[in-house]
Amino acid sequence: ETGVTQSPTHLIKTRGQQVTLRCSSQSGHNTVSWYQQALGQGPQFIFQYYREEENGRGNFPPRFSGLQFPNYSSELNVNALELDDSALYLCASSGASGGDTPQYFGPGTRLTVL
Amino acid sequence: GENVEQHPSTLSVQEGDSAVIKCTYSDSASNYFPWYKQELGKRPQLIIDIRSNVGEKKDQRIAVTLNKTAKHFSLHITETQPEDSAVYFCAASKGAGKSTFGDGTTLTVKP
Repeated sequence: ETGVTQSPTHLIKTRGQQVTLRCSSQSGHNTVSWYQQALGQGPQFIFQYYREEENGRGNFPPRFSGLQFPNYSSELNVNALELDDSALYLCASSGASGGDTPQYFGPGTRLTVL
Repeated sequence: GENVEQHPSTLSVQEGDSAVIKCTYSDSASNYFPWYKQELGKRPQLIIDIRSNVGEKKDQRIAVTLNKTAKHFSLHITETQPEDSAVYFCAASKGAGKSTFGDGTTLTVKP
């Protein structure tokens, strides 16, 4: 079992609200990537943080933002929630920012927007 | 950007048979190709990966092959067992660490 943890497990919000999701990376890992997984689909890359800086971003609007802290834990913030934001949000940590480095996923946060 | 297509979307095999899942990618700059297994309600788990300088990799009953020229890679599971039943995702990744995933294959192994 990997050491990546996420909180909360489940979250219910209403349209227009804001949400913060949290991720603790596996010990020794300095890179955290966030993914959105809609039901029945593969994870979609949101962005990656390496040494507290954003290091690559997928096709998501600016209302998706993030932070990485000195201990390499990370937050995903979503403003002005929309119904389509309902999904499983996964974070993955790795030991480097390179593309050929294995990533290990956390258990995810299930977000429901009503 | 990168586009990854995965086939088939569902696959049903008898226990003991082999299963093959195929993926194609579009960006020749992709250099890392992991495969993940996701059981219902659980996190994706890395089961095997391959880098672009390698053509084939094997780990017990699981193997992955990569054809860079054709831009496709495949997962092979031999001697399937009921516990292999899950959704399998392929992904392609390049320098920034961004992974593009396929839409998944639901594998059912019938006892």
